[in-house]
Order: sequence, then C-alpha cells, then structure tokens
Amino acid sequence: SYVVTQPPSVSVAPGQTARITCGGNHIGTKSVHWYRQEPGQAPVLVIFNDSDRPSGIPERFSGSNSGNTATLTISRVEAGDEADYYCQVWDVDSDRAVFGGGTQLTVL
Amino acid sequence: QITLEESGPTLVKPTETLTLTCTFSGISLSTSGVGAAWIRQPPGKALEWLTLIYWNEDKRYTPSLKTRLTIVRDTSKNQVVLTMTNMDPVDTATYYCAHLKHFTRAFDVWGQGTLVTVSS
Repeated sequence: SYVVTQPPSVSVAPGQTARITCGGNHIGTKSVHWYRQEPGQAPVLVIFNDSDRPSGIPERFSGSNSGNTATLTISRVEAGDEADYYCQVWDVDSDRAVFGGGTQLTVL
Repeated sequence: QITLEESGPTLVKPTETLTLTCTFSGISLSTSGVGAAWIRQPPGKALEWLTLIYWNEDKRYTPSLKTRLTIVRDTSKNQVVLTMTNMDPVDTATYYCAHLKHFTRAFDVWGQGTLVTVSS
C-alpha cells in the first residue's frame, strides 16, 4: 500500500521560511493536501490539490509537488504557526486516503 | 456554511460495537458530489482515514479494518453513521467526521471530534 513520509519535526526562527516535506513514490503524480492541527483541535485544511489555498488561509502558506516530494512552505513564520502538519493523498490502487505521520513545527 | 457534529459513546468495552453519528448542517448528503468520511487519531499519534461514503451511497473502506467497519447515511436526518465491531483498547482514539471537498479528495470541513476510550 502507498506510504507517505514526513519528518517528525521541523524548527524555524520567527520571520524565516519553514519547509515541510511529504515523500512518496511518484507523489508528483498525485494530488497532495495539507492540514494544520493545533493541540486538542480538529485538523484544518491549509492547502489542497498541491498548491491551492482554501479561503481564509494566508498567502504565506504555499505548496508544491514534483517527483517524489511534496512541500508545504510557510513564509515569514510566526509563533502562531506552531502546530502539527499532515499531508494526505488518495491512493488510487487501494482506493483509500493516506495520511503522513505528521510534522511538528516549532518556532524557536 | 457547512458544520459537522459527532455524537456517540465516550467509553466502550472490549469486544463491543461502537456506533458514532455525524450530523451535517449546511449541506444535504444527497447533493451530487457530496462525500463524508470518518478519520481517527489515537492519543499522540497520526491521523488515520477509516471510511468514506458518497452522495450516491458508494462506499470506501480502509483495507486493514474493512471487515469491522460499516458506514451508512440517513438522508432524512442528514446524518452519517459509523459502526465498528469488536472494539479493542488499541481503537482508543478521537474519531472525526469530515466533509470531502467537491471535485477533490481533500477534507475541507471537520467535526470537533469525539474521544472514544475502549476499556473494561
């Protein structure tokens, strides 16, 4: 079955750029979606279809996807961006949604 | 504005059957293109997709739990119901229902989640 891999943690200083990766075999051929989850809260969709932003999501959040890696980029990181971030794809072969293991973003 | 609310027991015993209900507001489950999913998250762990039902009652299940899961919709109440049999302590998790964003496989609206503990 399809597996997507995320780094467990990413740390970045305020005002810098955070990049969170999501790796998978030929993931560039799939649509990748990203979610932000704060402690005790439900996940929130921040990027869909690789690079589209839902309404209300700041332009600082962007996404890209190519080859074997998709990337969520958060520019001008703020303390409030601290959260867990999950990537998700749909595996056509097994006809199911697949989530990554999540990445904890720490703002130093 | 679409909202979802999960309801059901917070505690079940091992071997029992769990039944959770998700009530949709702001959209009809019979509207073409609508999809509703259940996703769970054990304490301190990652999200795990369980199942999905479409407006036309087409259904999908995660292979590892397929024999234990059933998803149905009640259009008269605008609800989606998840049943999971033979519950085990490892099934302790927060269970979320989520709306499938039209024309995508992304989940754009989530319920607040309900924590289900499996313990005797």
